[in-house]
Amino acid sequence: KAGVTQTPRYLIKTRGQQVTLSCSPISGHRSVSWYQQTPGQGLQFLFEYFSETQRNKGNFPGRFSGRQFSNSRSEMNVSTLELGDSALYLCASSLDTSVGDTQYFGPGTRLTVL
Amino acid sequence: LAKTTQPISMDSYEGQEVNITCSHNNIATNDYITWYQQFPSQGPRFIIQGYKTKVTNEVASLFIPADRKSSTLSLPRVSLSDTAVYYCPVNSGNTGKLIFGQGTTLQVKP
Repeated sequence: KAGVTQTPRYLIKTRGQQVTLSCSPISGHRSVSWYQQTPGQGLQFLFEYFSETQRNKGNFPGRFSGRQFSNSRSEMNVSTLELGDSALYLCASSLDTSVGDTQYFGPGTRLTVL
Repeated sequence: LAKTTQPISMDSYEGQEVNITCSHNNIATNDYITWYQQFPSQGPRFIIQGYKTKVTNEVASLFIPADRKSSTLSLPRVSLSDTAVYYCPVNSGNTGKLIFGQGTTLQVKP
């Protein structure tokens, strides 16, 4: 089975722009979670989607949003980029996190904001 | 919400067994314990998951005491390629939220 894929792998944007990142889960997985990783704050949970609905959300401003499509693929969007948004953005998929299923991570998208 | 605490770093030599302990004092009844390995600029890779007692797979063992307030990841006979950061996030049973601590940087020396 193919693993979690994320596109693009690298991205450079300037302050004020917006960006959309994509995540394709493992086939059959219905839950997709997004995380931000920075050297200062570590790995932090952004949000989780299941069956096209946001089921849980972390403590990030409204500039961070996401959605999930009927094929379980997910996108996250960051609007009005700030320098502090530079990070590795990771998505993870699982069958269903509500029953403790394992989350499998993708390779991440490295976002640099200039 | 449960928070995890691990040693910041550990050193070992090739061929040795390494045990990394994680503390998760206020773990909830339905929380699982999962360990991941991460190399620089890559996503965390799943190693092992458990709820209680002992779990073993082809790469590691996980020991969880009865009170579940800690867990120990055991890596038998480490090699240089095991140099990485190891995390023990708590998986809140009814959400998709993994709560990560700062991780343990394992350095394996020849």
